[in-house]
Amino acid sequence: EAGVAQSPRYKIIEKRQSVAFWCNPISGHATLYWYQQILGQGPKLLIQFQNNGVVDDSQLPKDRFSAERLKGVDSTLKIQPAKLEDSAVYLCASSWSVVPQETQYFGPGTRLLVL
Amino acid sequence: DQQVKQNSPSLSVQEGRISILNCDYTNSMFDYFLWYKKYPAEGPTFLISISSIKDKNEDGRFTVFLNKSAKHLSLHIVPSQPGDSAVYFCAAFGTSGTYKYIFGTGTRLKVLA
Repeated sequence: EAGVAQSPRYKIIEKRQSVAFWCNPISGHATLYWYQQILGQGPKLLIQFQNNGVVDDSQLPKDRFSAERLKGVDSTLKIQPAKLEDSAVYLCASSWSVVPQETQYFGPGTRLLVL
Repeated sequence: DQQVKQNSPSLSVQEGRISILNCDYTNSMFDYFLWYKKYPAEGPTFLISISSIKDKNEDGRFTVFLNKSAKHLSLHIVPSQPGDSAVYFCAAFGTSGTYKYIFGTGTRLKVLA
C-alpha cells in the first residue's frame, strides 16, 4: 500500500513570495490533515478535511494560508504572501475516517525555508 | 499555552536497557493518548495508544502507562535497540471535544550500541 505522498520535499523562497504544497493521501482515506511543525515544536494542526469538506480550520492563518481538497482526494496548501515565521516542515496526514482513534498516517513533509 | 509537555528534550540509553519517555498534560478533557516515532526526513509514524479507561497498554517491546490523577503518561521501551533512536512525540485529544491532536515538543532518544 502506497503511503502519503507530498511534494516538493524542500522549498526555499523569499519573504512575500507565494508557495504551494501538494499532498496525495492513502487511497480510500476520507480524512486529510495539514500540520505545521516549527523547529523544536510538535506538529500543529492547520486544517482537517473530511472528503472535500473542512472539519476544522481554527488554527489556519486565513489571511495568508489557504487549502483545498477538490474531489476529496488530493489537497494543496498555499501560503501567500510568506513570512519568515512560516519556515517549518509542513506535514500532510490521512486516515480512514474522522474518528480520532483512527490512526493518522503521515507523509514525509515539505521543508520550507523563508528568507 | 502548552497543553502537552515533554520536558526532556533528549535521552540516551544503552542498548538492551529500558528507555522511559515521559509526557504530562494539563487539559482534563483529554481522554485518548498516542505516541508517534519520527526518523529524520520522514513523517511521524504511529507507535501505540491508550484510552483513559485503561492505565496500561502493551505492544511487544513498547508499553504505555497512564496516570490520570497525575495527568502523566510514559512510554517504556524494553529492551532498547539502536533502531529505536528517533524523536518520540506524545499526543492527546478529547473524544468529546473537537478531536484535534495536540502534540508535545518531542524527546530525542539515542540508543547507544
